[in-house]
Amino acid sequence: QQQVKQSPQSLIVQKGGISIINCAYENTAFDYFPWYQQFPGKGPALLIAIRPDVSEKKEGRFTISFNKSAKQFSLHIMDSQPGDSATYFCAASIRGAQKLVFGQGTRLTINP
Amino acid sequence: AAGVIQSPRHLIKEKRETATLKCYPIPRHDTVYWYQQGPGQDPQFLISFYEKMQSDKGSIPDRFSAQQFSDYHSELNMSSLELGDSALYFCASSFKGSYNEQFFGPGTRLTVL
Repeated sequence: QQQVKQSPQSLIVQKGGISIINCAYENTAFDYFPWYQQFPGKGPALLIAIRPDVSEKKEGRFTISFNKSAKQFSLHIMDSQPGDSATYFCAASIRGAQKLVFGQGTRLTINP
Repeated sequence: AAGVIQSPRHLIKEKRETATLKCYPIPRHDTVYWYQQGPGQDPQFLISFYEKMQSDKGSIPDRFSAQQFSDYHSELNMSSLELGDSALYFCASSFKGSYNEQFFGPGTRLTVL
């Protein structure tokens, strides 16, 4: 059973557009929500993360929106560039437990 | 900045053989995690160590064992390898005071023939 559900599985966006990836969770004990970017054959790289006490966090072109009541969070990539083409994973953890539970991943393609 | 180091980067083994994967965390990080990622799948948590003690355990087969040493490096030992063990194995490290920011290494690609 996937504890964190991610959509869409794949996404194609034109250069300069906004890429939006969504995640939903059930376990209300989760209190840390990171996003990772992974290129083929490489390790996941931490992009940005949020805790439930804030509704939005922005770092450069990347923004996380968090809706605690709906148990959903999303990644927005503004001004998407071909170099952003990668697989993106949302994740969640309970601070005490530490392990990350990942979503299924979204393969993002930015067309030039 | 220093990153997580994993060795070897690639490993090819026969069925029923054993393998040892090594992980060197970022300096001053005290927690190490191991994840397994199959083709086209998300990383699955195997096991973690904090201050050389096992802190959490996930879907790690009984054929696998791991430990963290006094210099904080960790080793994942895999015995009686099966074809289904072929995957990318990632090590991640974090500092306990950092609210679980986990930084991943480049991974070891294990192929079992």
